[in-house]
Amino acid sequence: AQSVSQHNHHVILSEAASLELGCNYSYGGTVNLFWYVQYPGQHLQLLLKYFSGDPLVKGIKGFEAEFIKSKFSFNLRKPSVQWSDTAEYFCAVLGGGSYIPTFGRGTSLIVHP
Amino acid sequence: DGGITQSPKYLFRKEGQNVTLSCEQNLNHDAMYWYRQDPGQGLRLIYYSQIVNDFQKGDIAEGYSVSREKKESFPLTVTSAQKNPTAFYLCASSIDAAYEQYFGPGTRLTVT
Repeated sequence: AQSVSQHNHHVILSEAASLELGCNYSYGGTVNLFWYVQYPGQHLQLLLKYFSGDPLVKGIKGFEAEFIKSKFSFNLRKPSVQWSDTAEYFCAVLGGGSYIPTFGRGTSLIVHP
Repeated sequence: DGGITQSPKYLFRKEGQNVTLSCEQNLNHDAMYWYRQDPGQGLRLIYYSQIVNDFQKGDIAEGYSVSREKKESFPLTVTSAQKNPTAFYLCASSIDAAYEQYFGPGTRLTVT
């Protein structure tokens, strides 16, 4: 079965710091990759996705993620975080012939002003 | 304005009672899902449906039941057989199972 690891469970940063959240998955074949974000009191929403093509994908609010097939990774990055980026971030992977995404356990990000 | 609605936002029940959580979407999506979100455990899949009148168990289906009689609706019943029902329940839909999901606002169920 597919598994997804988000290594950082809690991250605390100051505004303007750079962010990188790790996401690794277990399946080696073709995958669809997603990052979702859950802001306090709001719906879970899509941040960005990768299906094929350029492995560096850009999402909303200045976020980007890089798919590195050889490392089974899809890390999320932002060069300079803001207080409003405080949220929970989930990585999800579709692959291995399954049409059900596997979610990571999430990373709670707190950004201090 | 298209989206997914879940009602109610908060639900309180006594132990031993069944309770049904509502999920409606007007996005014309074929696939719908129910997840349970507990702190530190991410999203765990309860049930999913890829098409009307068909649904499949997810990883933690025991103690839950669903129906999919209409494309727009995918209600979840939490039965008295569910050992630990207090949780935050999320409904989602996608145009196709291979694509991104759209989530509702969630229902927080408390059973005492």
